[in-house]
Amino acid sequence: GEQVEQRPPHLSVREGDSAFIICTYTDSATAYFYWYKQEPGAGLQLLMSVFSNVDRKEEQGLTVLLNKKDKQLSLNLTAAHPGDSAVYFCAVKSGGSNYKLTFGKGTLLTVTP
Amino acid sequence: DPKIIQKPKYLVAVTGSEKILICEQYLGHNAMYWYRQSAKKPLEFMFSYSYQKLMDNQTASSRFQPQSSKKNHLDLQITALKPDDSATYFCASSLDWGGQDTQYFGPGTRLLVL
Repeated sequence: GEQVEQRPPHLSVREGDSAFIICTYTDSATAYFYWYKQEPGAGLQLLMSVFSNVDRKEEQGLTVLLNKKDKQLSLNLTAAHPGDSAVYFCAVKSGGSNYKLTFGKGTLLTVTP
Repeated sequence: DPKIIQKPKYLVAVTGSEKILICEQYLGHNAMYWYRQSAKKPLEFMFSYSYQKLMDNQTASSRFQPQSSKKNHLDLQITALKPDDSATYFCASSLDWGGQDTQYFGPGTRLLVL
């Protein structure tokens, strides 16, 4: 089945810097891609969804890149601030099982002032 | 106002007991899901329902039984609890089952089995 590797597991940046997280998936039929944010003790908040016909999407300081050739999905968070500190998860839905999300293990982002 | 409600927020249970985790969504969605997040594994899919029908079950154990009394409810009954069941259980919903519809998550129920 689909597997998703997410790197890095931990990321510490200073306020104003960028934070970059990357996920590699295995199933070439994967069609739907998501980034979620989880703050301590909270549920998962959807950040962005991307479909396989899109290579790049930008929203509110977030840039998602999709490289289908290398089966990679990335999230770049520009000008990070302490409120961005959280765990970030990538998730994908494969074409054959497009009803369930397969998650990466998460990246704990810490933004220091 | 929260659109997906999970109750309780925290739950402590003894080994061998039975608990029910409650999930209600007020998004008008037709599909609902359960996921589990434990210390040992990444977030993993458990069940999916569409119009109150079970579509997929990826839990290995029959101790986990979803129950859908209404279209916007999907509870999770766990019997004969084990310490390994300790995890945070997330309910999610989407407009329809499958395809591009985004899944939205509730705040989770954190279960600790002693």
